[in-house]
Amino acid sequence: DSGVTQTPKHLITATGQRVTLRCSPRSGDLSVYWYQQSLDQGLQFLIQYYNGEERAKGNILERFSAQQFPDLHSELNLSSLELGDSALYFCASGNLRNTEAFFGQGTRLTVV
Amino acid sequence: GEDVEQSLFLSVREGDSSVINCTYTDSSSTYLYWYKQEPGAGLQLLTYIFSNMDMKQDQRLTVLLNKKDKHLSLRIADTQTGDSAIYFCAESRDGGSQGNLIFGKGTKLSVKP
Repeated sequence: DSGVTQTPKHLITATGQRVTLRCSPRSGDLSVYWYQQSLDQGLQFLIQYYNGEERAKGNILERFSAQQFPDLHSELNLSSLELGDSALYFCASGNLRNTEAFFGQGTRLTVV
Repeated sequence: GEDVEQSLFLSVREGDSSVINCTYTDSSSTYLYWYKQEPGAGLQLLTYIFSNMDMKQDQRLTVLLNKKDKHLSLRIADTQTGDSAIYFCAESRDGGSQGNLIFGKGTKLSVKP
């Protein structure tokens, strides 16, 4: 158990809808990272938050957004969903002083 | 190129050594990582190596780094059936943000009894 909690584990929704994925980082970790894992693109870094502020941005679509709350949990919002958004979404947490990030079990999103 | 590259499949017999290879792209990468993903599970960090090192050994795992060729390898000694998984190589391109990683597509390791 990495100590990173993601909910829900599975999500099925229709095209055009909006969903919110939630991540609770490990105790003491200030950074949260979001990744998307799909069959064709592999694992891609989406975005990082550090202590409530956006710190780095990767290949995140404009339809997607994230935030980190004062209690350090984070939410990834995916809107106007398309079939191609079906993927496993991972959250990881870490601390800038650490050399590693700890990954959650992921949320499997299926868009139908 | 832009990608971190790995071969997609590797099959070995139980008890043999497995060697998974990776080429990365950014010579300024600070850390290089190996992650393991078992079916239906998240990513588990196996080991990492700092870019100024050539080798790192951790029990059955040996990581070799050739900075000149931008080549990284993971050797698993005495491979067991429980080692069957997908192994991802990743590089950290932002020296101050160890979670901002560029991953390879993963190597699926199959271990035959």
